[in-house]
Amino acid sequence: EVQLVQSGAEVKKPGESLKISCKASGYSFTGYWIGWVRQMPGKGLEWMGVIYPGDSDTTYSPSFQGQVTISADKSSNTAYLQWSSLRASDSAMYYCARPSLRSGYLADYWGQGTLVTVSS
Amino acid sequence: QSALTQPPSVSGSPGQSVTISCTGTSSDVGSYHRVSWYQQPPGAAPKLIIYEVNNRPSGVPFRFSGSVSGNTASLTISGLRAEDEADYYCSSYISSSTFEVFGTGTKVTVL
Repeated sequence: EVQLVQSGAEVKKPGESLKISCKASGYSFTGYWIGWVRQMPGKGLEWMGVIYPGDSDTTYSPSFQGQVTISADKSSNTAYLQWSSLRASDSAMYYCARPSLRSGYLADYWGQGTLVTVSS
Repeated sequence: QSALTQPPSVSGSPGQSVTISCTGTSSDVGSYHRVSWYQQPPGAAPKLIIYEVNNRPSGVPFRFSGSVSGNTASLTISGLRAEDEADYYCSSYISSSTFEVFGTGTKVTVL
């Protein structure tokens, strides 16, 4: 059974760093794209970027390029989303998902979400 | 790339049918017919329910169906049930080098 299990909710202050995780199981981690989707409070879904763990090929949506870092650890089948300096506007729910293509097309499995709250 | 346009809300009584529209352009919905639909119940993660216009992943009930006409995709829920109350998002392939854009989302209320 394919599963994506994300790390727990985080409460941070502006300027702090953060790395959240998404552990994959039930399929060949290195053979599929995996990415991150942001959902701001009461809003819709936005692709942030994806990574192909097999060769670490990473693509970011223009809106998020330079704002976050996506990485993957093949040894633990885990994908990560990282911020070096959080802002209040980063407060949102973040989902990892497994799309069929680099473009985010056809995301057939999703994690349960990680709520990030940034507040002074 | 702008979000695809969906009605903010639709509603129906149990057993009725409801249809959600998703309007794009000739560069996305109208070009590739690679439209997906996602169901997001309150407080839960999105779930893929339709892909490539009218294909259902294993386990998704037959009462969910999709179609495309021109630049508009549609999701129909037949025999509406209380458990169908959720937000629904469409999504369309644009190109191999451009991230998919989601629709604005539609809240389905079962009366």
